[in-house]
Amino acid sequence: GAGVSQSPSNKVTEKGKDVELRCDPISGHTALYWYRQSLGQGLEFLIYFQGNSAPDKSGLPSDRFSAERTGGSVSTLTIQRTQQEDSAVYLCASSLTGTRLDTQYFGPGTRLTVL
Amino acid sequence: AQSVTQLGSHVSVSEGALVLLRCNYSSSVPPYLFWYVQYPNQGLQLLLKYTSAATLVKGINGFEAEFKKSETSFHLTKPSAHMSDAAEYFCAVSDRGSGSARQLTFGSGTQLTVLP
Repeated sequence: GAGVSQSPSNKVTEKGKDVELRCDPISGHTALYWYRQSLGQGLEFLIYFQGNSAPDKSGLPSDRFSAERTGGSVSTLTIQRTQQEDSAVYLCASSLTGTRLDTQYFGPGTRLTVL
Repeated sequence: AQSVTQLGSHVSVSEGALVLLRCNYSSSVPPYLFWYVQYPNQGLQLLLKYTSAATLVKGINGFEAEFKKSETSFHLTKPSAHMSDAAEYFCAVSDRGSGSARQLTFGSGTQLTVLP
């Protein structure tokens, strides 16, 4: 079956512009996660969606970052007024039940470069 | 908060040699433990996970890991390295507590190089 897909695979933007990153989770998975992978900070959690519950936004680094998940499926991560420190690979993952021992399946990531 | 330490950011082994990648966790309550592998320009793929059913966990591609509570460790091993094992490996933890968050906390990663 299809895995987690993300688009675009690469995004180059200018400082101050807004960007949207998209994630399509595995069909039927109730939980969706966003992580950021950067050279200086490693892999960091950003946000978690579980079904229709309010998302866990505790990992978002600033109010320039937001995310939504429409219809319990596709998710969009939006970064407003991008800064150079936002350059990173943004990874999306989904899991079937969202429990703490459930396997998270990762997409290939979106590489964001802010010039 | 949970933390996980991977000793050795880079490990080199010869093809056919033993692979040993180290992971230690910080909490007094053993968490759920995971090993993921990342090939260049790809996402993370689960190798194996520990959920307390058995202390020796076997995963894909011939990898296994042993949970040792006394050492707060979950080291990853493979008896004989193959060139295709060259990749970055991440140890990750997930808290067990009912009030804890659901996300994974990752170690800093170990880049494995396999020499011919």
